[in-house]
Amino acid sequence: SQQGEEDPQALSIQEGENATMNCSYKTSINNLQWYRQNSGRGLVHLILIRSNEREKHSGRLRVTLDTSKKSSSLLITASRAADTASYFCAPGGYNNNDMRFGAGTRLTVKP
Amino acid sequence: GAVVSQHPSWVICKSGTSVKIECRSLDFQATTMFWYRQFPKQSLMLMATSNEGSKATYEQGVEKDKFLINHASLTLSTLTVTSAHPEDSSFYICSARWTGSDKLYEQYFGPGTRLTVT
Repeated sequence: SQQGEEDPQALSIQEGENATMNCSYKTSINNLQWYRQNSGRGLVHLILIRSNEREKHSGRLRVTLDTSKKSSSLLITASRAADTASYFCAPGGYNNNDMRFGAGTRLTVKP
Repeated sequence: GAVVSQHPSWVICKSGTSVKIECRSLDFQATTMFWYRQFPKQSLMLMATSNEGSKATYEQGVEKDKFLINHASLTLSTLTVTSAHPEDSSFYICSARWTGSDKLYEQYFGPGTRLTVT
């Protein structure tokens, strides 16, 4: 399996602004998942987008997937201080045997 | 739904002793569970993949005799760190894959276990 590479590595914004983070991967996928990790905690599953989907919404989250560019983006609208965390993407292959992670994007939302 | 628990949440042990960490899927069955290790300010590193009823598959560089994994049921996997040393101090996270038909590929993570070896 493969790991995603998140970009940027760090992002700092003011509360209320939107945050966009990107994920790139190398080989074809069946799905891609986004996770959030607060400091010292486990990962929280945010959203799964399948390879035949281009966009998906969940509350303030919007995920896009461009399989031709092998990339995905996660948009958090109207950010809050509580959104401060590291965000990881996880591309899933057709066998989806395991899940590996890149360095993530560390988001800081200033109140 | 889709809750994964870990126990203990933190543990301190002396060098040379063994520590067992439990990972449970509380409201779903998981034929596959994964164990990760995370050092401070670093990403999660996959240690091993375990399938219920069979031997775990370890990642390169992970000693299978040191990190014993048992996946005895569809809701429980354990990781035992044997003869722990200070360099084994880390944050250990398990995850479980939902095997339901519509959520085949969703993977849920436990809250992690902080191991400190003195």
